[in-house]
Amino acid sequence: EAGVAQSPRYKIIEKRQSVAFWCNPISGHATLYWYQQILGQGPKLLIQFQNNGVVDDSQLPKDRFSAERLKGVDSTLKIQPAKLEDSAVYLCASSLGGLYNTGELFFGEGSRLTVL
Amino acid sequence: GDSVTQMEGPVTLSEEAFLTINCTYTATGYPSLFWYVQYPGEGLQLLLKATKADDKGSNKGFEATYRKETTSFHLEKGSVQVSDSAVYFCALSQYSGGGADGLTFGKGTHLIIQP
Repeated sequence: EAGVAQSPRYKIIEKRQSVAFWCNPISGHATLYWYQQILGQGPKLLIQFQNNGVVDDSQLPKDRFSAERLKGVDSTLKIQPAKLEDSAVYLCASSLGGLYNTGELFFGEGSRLTVL
Repeated sequence: GDSVTQMEGPVTLSEEAFLTINCTYTATGYPSLFWYVQYPGEGLQLLLKATKADDKGSNKGFEATYRKETTSFHLEKGSVQVSDSAVYFCALSQYSGGGADGLTFGKGTHLIIQP
């Protein structure tokens, strides 16, 4: 079974530039999450989708971050404009979701962003 | 809001030593508790979980017991191996079969096992 796919694995940009990350969840997983992991900290939830609807985006900095999951499958997270403090690993995860959710999330390997 | 506190690392042990990584939580209601592990160069993966008080989760020789009275979920292993070297994250979720149920993570504990 294929796991959660993310790209790119690494990205280096200048501050004020924009960047986009892509995620393809495990087939059949209704719920998709984006997390931000800053060096030395645990992952922090940015946004949760159930199919193509947003369930929780309370910690997403909406002035610069946006995310979409238009067809309820893959998702894109965008940062525009980037700040130095956005340097982090962006993790995508998926789960069965809804009544089938066991609480277990399946994570991709992450996209490491460096903002100079 | 919900939060998870776990012991700071790195934790360095010799092979076959006994391991304890402390984890405590603050949450409303009755969360489910998890330990996730991140091996070098790999993504986070579930190690074990417990969904209610006094439940014991176990996997690969690791164990953790959900203690509601002390709001703790300490990770233990009787004899560690070099291959256990990784970063370990304690986490909780308020999942209830629908709605917002993302994990809240601790900061992680880097475990180093020396031969």
